[in-house]
Amino acid sequence: QQQVKQSPQSLIVQKGGIPIINCAYENTAFDYFPWYQQFPGKGPALLIAIRPDVSEKKEGRFTISFNKSAKQFSLHIMDSQPGDSATYFCSSGGGADGLTFGKGTHLIIQP
Amino acid sequence: KAGVTQTPRYLIKTRGQQVTLSCSPISGHRSVSWYQQTPGQGLQFLFEYFSETQRNKGNFPGRFSGRQFSNSRSEMNVSTLELGDSALYLCASSLEPGGNTEAFFGQGTRLTVV
Repeated sequence: QQQVKQSPQSLIVQKGGIPIINCAYENTAFDYFPWYQQFPGKGPALLIAIRPDVSEKKEGRFTISFNKSAKQFSLHIMDSQPGDSATYFCSSGGGADGLTFGKGTHLIIQP
Repeated sequence: KAGVTQTPRYLIKTRGQQVTLSCSPISGHRSVSWYQQTPGQGLQFLFEYFSETQRNKGNFPGRFSGRQFSNSRSEMNVSTLELGDSALYLCASSLEPGGNTEAFFGQGTRLTVV
């Protein structure tokens, strides 16, 4: 299965800071790039998604930046809050095998 | 609109047994995908069903199987359970298959094999 590489594995940011999570994909057939947020004991929740025809998408405090030529995309969380503390997964879809996920980033926002 | 419902939430099984997990997708969604989540391997694709047909399958042994019913509800079955099958099993529903439309996950079924 084609990989999606996600970094960092864990991240600690002060409240109000801007955590940035990065992902890189291999399969150029991918044409859909969603991010999921997962709290302990819960299933992943769709946060925001982008398609390769745009370079940036904002929804509330969450922004995806997309670089098609570099095959990279990233999630930025503006004005981060302690309630944003969760595990974040990038993923890529449009290939043969459903969504391909990164390994996840455990984010902690300190008050 | 109700979300994706997975039952049961928790299961404890013994090695060698088999297990069946159930997933009811969002009303109107015809595609159901299954994923296995473990701390070591992360989220891995098991298989996808659309209109009662398996469209594709991930790199899992034949002990893992599934099916979809005419009302789009899906079940997955794991036979001859192994300790390594302990995981959170998640299903996701979407309007269309292929992994390139919005997919919504259920809360998962936590399977523990002892």
